[in-house]
Amino acid sequence: AQSVTQLDSQVPVFEEAPVELRCNYSSSVSVYLFWYVQYPNQGLQLLLKYLSGSTLVESINGFEAEFNKSQTSFHLRKPSVHISDTAEYFCAVSATGTASKLTFGTGTRLQVTL
Amino acid sequence: DGGITQSPKYLFRKEGQNVTLSCEQNLNHDAMYWYRQDPGQGLRLIYYSQIVNDFQKGDIAEGYSVSREKKESFPLTVTSAQKNPTAFYLCASSRGQMGAEAFFGQGTRLTVV
Repeated sequence: AQSVTQLDSQVPVFEEAPVELRCNYSSSVSVYLFWYVQYPNQGLQLLLKYLSGSTLVESINGFEAEFNKSQTSFHLRKPSVHISDTAEYFCAVSATGTASKLTFGTGTRLQVTL
Repeated sequence: DGGITQSPKYLFRKEGQNVTLSCEQNLNHDAMYWYRQDPGQGLRLIYYSQIVNDFQKGDIAEGYSVSREKKESFPLTVTSAQKNPTAFYLCASSRGQMGAEAFFGQGTRLTVV
């Protein structure tokens, strides 16, 4: 079985500052890794994913995440946040060799202020 | 537009009544999922289906039931046996292949009074 830990339930940050949202996972098998974003009262949208290859993956809106196998981490970063980035962010994993059943972390609420 | 439609967006029910949440997708995805979201607990898997006429229990299936008679539809029934049914319910679908991303509906907020 897999598990995901997002240690920070809330991260307050000023606009244009950098941010890192932490994600650690536990699994006895290799995994695929995902970050999803959720705006209030909406469903989740995929932000980025790591399947294989380069350990650094990027999204179209400036976020990036790096897969670190030795530390079992997949932290999400953005060098300069915008007010519109305020949302809840979920890290998720699925085991390789199985159909895509996702296990989610508890989420991190990113609050960007002026 | 292709996507996943959940209805209704808000649902109120009296305690002890069964209620069915609708989920329809036109993405031609094989796999469909139901998650429950509670504040501070993330998303927890209720049921999933990888093919028509087949489904499996997730981590918190007690008090819920599903059916998958058509590829496009995966309704969830919250029964009176579910002890704490008030929550935000999210339906998702994917191609069902390894590493395939899940696409989510807009959710149904169920309140039981």
